[in-house]
Amino acid sequence: GESVGLHLPTLSVQEGDNSIINCAYSNSASDYFIWYKQESGKGPQFIIDIRSNMDKRQGQRVTVLLNKTVKHLSLQIAATQPGDSAVYFCAETSYDTGNQFYFGTGTSLTVIP
Amino acid sequence: DGGITQSPKYLFRKEGQNVTLSCEQNLNHDAMYWYRQDPGQGLRLIYYSQIVNDFQKGDIAEGYSVSREKKESFPLTVTSAQKNPTAFYLCASSARIGGYEQYFGPGTRLTVT
Repeated sequence: GESVGLHLPTLSVQEGDNSIINCAYSNSASDYFIWYKQESGKGPQFIIDIRSNMDKRQGQRVTVLLNKTVKHLSLQIAATQPGDSAVYFCAETSYDTGNQFYFGTGTSLTVIP
Repeated sequence: DGGITQSPKYLFRKEGQNVTLSCEQNLNHDAMYWYRQDPGQGLRLIYYSQIVNDFQKGDIAEGYSVSREKKESFPLTVTSAQKNPTAFYLCASSARIGGYEQYFGPGTRLTVT
């Protein structure tokens, strides 16, 4: 099976600081990636996605960076707010795995007011 | 108001009983998915369906069954053959299979005693 992992299981940041959450993947053929946010007891919420033909994509206060050379994905959250406290997952998919998504175990982000 | 609904939010069953979890979407998506989430683990795929009257096993299909009689509905039955059924179950949908954003429902927490 695929291996999608996160470097840190927990992350604490001060309100207003920037947060960086990392994700490693093992399938060099992965061509589509998504970051999800999951609050306790709720379903995952789409944050941002990126395709393998891009290195960077920006959304509102979030940026995803993709480094295909080292098979690494990161999510940057600018000016982190208390409402950003949640678990963040990365997910990846590729045609050669039947387009099935594989999910990381998640990083728990805590924002300190 | 478009989205995915799952019911009920909490479900309690005695061991040996089958139980069916509901998932409905009004996004006109072709593809639907069922995942299982356990503490400290990434989402694992149980079953998915690319189109009405068709579905495929995921990585952990044993002890589960599904049907896809209507485009908007993809119910999951947890049978008595599932050895560890207590978990958080998430339904998702996407426009097509593969590199398309998956939208998740709010989840059903099943407890079997």
